[in-house]
Amino acid sequence: DTEVTQTPKHLVMGMTNKKSLKCEQHMGHRAMYWYKQKAKKPPELMFVYSYEKLSINESVPSRFSPECPNSSLLNLHLHALQPEDSALYLCASSLSHAQGINYGYTFGSGTRLTVV
Amino acid sequence: AQSVSQHNHHVILSEAASLELGCNYSYGGTVNLFWYVQYPGQHLQLLLKYFSGDPLVKGIKGFEAEFIKSKFSFNLRKPSVQWSDTAEYFCAVMRNTGGFKTIFGAGTRLFVKA
Repeated sequence: DTEVTQTPKHLVMGMTNKKSLKCEQHMGHRAMYWYKQKAKKPPELMFVYSYEKLSINESVPSRFSPECPNSSLLNLHLHALQPEDSALYLCASSLSHAQGINYGYTFGSGTRLTVV
Repeated sequence: AQSVSQHNHHVILSEAASLELGCNYSYGGTVNLFWYVQYPGQHLQLLLKYFSGDPLVKGIKGFEAEFIKSKFSFNLRKPSVQWSDTAEYFCAVMRNTGGFKTIFGAGTRLFVKA
């Protein structure tokens, strides 16, 4: 299995809703990432998990809450989002994030989130 | 500001033309460099990467990139493009800045005319 699987592919949620995005990989990768991509913009780093521990939080608002239950799963819990949070949320994984060696990411197809 | 710059936002080529997409970064010190491609309707895929060693890196689908440290550049090249190379190409740089972070350039949309 050489894929990163993200669910759901599309999500519409109200500003008072609570929802979660899920990401799964079975490649034995020990680093996982959340990126946010707005239309016609590059992906922007949100969170980095290395060996199931949060390594980097790019000053993301607390209405986004990441969780890494095990080495294969990464969740992004969403609560009280704003319309400007509408974007494509990308999950990625890499072999290791340790020692600054990034072997390159494997990306999922993303969850297209619309906040109404 | 520290950044990753891709000079061409849109490139249109005919099949069999040669391709060179520019990428410059403004970080000093050790960096890891990448090119990713996003075909229409598909997810981002790694084209090639540079960590150390030979500055000329070969990737998938006939692409290559050259790291020129003195110019802070990592340009992507392909001698002869095909219609199927139509995609968006992102340069990315990883460096240690409050943790090891990979930053993406704005992307270059390539359209190859058949």
